Amino acid sequence: EVQLAQSGAEVKKPGESLKISCKGSGYSFTNYWIGWVRQMPGKGLEWMGIIYPGDSDTRYSPSFRGQITMSADKSISTAYLQWNSLKASDTAIYYCARHPSGFDRSPFDYWGQGTLVTVSP
Amino acid sequence: EIVLTQSPGTLSLSPGERATLSCRASQSVSSNYLAWYQQKPGQAPRLLIFGASTRATGVPDRFSGTGSGTDFTLTISRLEPEDFAVYYCQQYGSSPPRTFGQGTKVEIK
Repeated sequence: EVQLAQSGAEVKKPGESLKISCKGSGYSFTNYWIGWVRQMPGKGLEWMGIIYPGDSDTRYSPSFRGQITMSADKSISTAYLQWNSLKASDTAIYYCARHPSGFDRSPFDYWGQGTLVTVSP
Repeated sequence: EIVLTQSPGTLSLSPGERATLSCRASQSVSSNYLAWYQQKPGQAPRLLIFGASTRATGVPDRFSGTGSGTDFTLTISRLEPEDFAVYYCQQYGSSPPRTFGQGTKVEIK
């Protein structure tokens, strides 16, 4: 069974750094693109970017480029989303999701449960 | 960047009624690479439709997707109690970002 297990909720202060994770299981993690999606409180879904764990090729949304870093450790089937300096506006639920093939022009077929990030003084 | 505009923002219907949700793109969606997702409160989104009209595994046949180019529709033929949720369209045919629409909430009338 395909599963994406995300790390737990985080409470941080503005200016702090953070790295959240998404561990894939039940499939060949290396061969499927993983994406990240932001959902701010009470709002819709925003596509942040995708990473191919096999070679760490990344594609960022222009809205998020320079604000976040996506990475992956294929040895432990885990993708990461990282901030160097959080802002209050980063408060949101962050979902990881999988593309159903090695082709990134495909929908997200499996989703993690989401990680709530709260940034508050 | 392709902008997706969903309408209406909220749809108030009763169980058993038909729901018609619209998703309009600011430019043609390549190869009809358009998906629909359902999201219930406190849950992650769930893929319903991809390629504009193909149901994902396990999705009931009361859900159907149509459209091409810039105009797409998700139809729920007869609303079941579990169908009241927020629905998002997403295009995945263009260079990043692979944008989502702002969502349509289907609520119980």
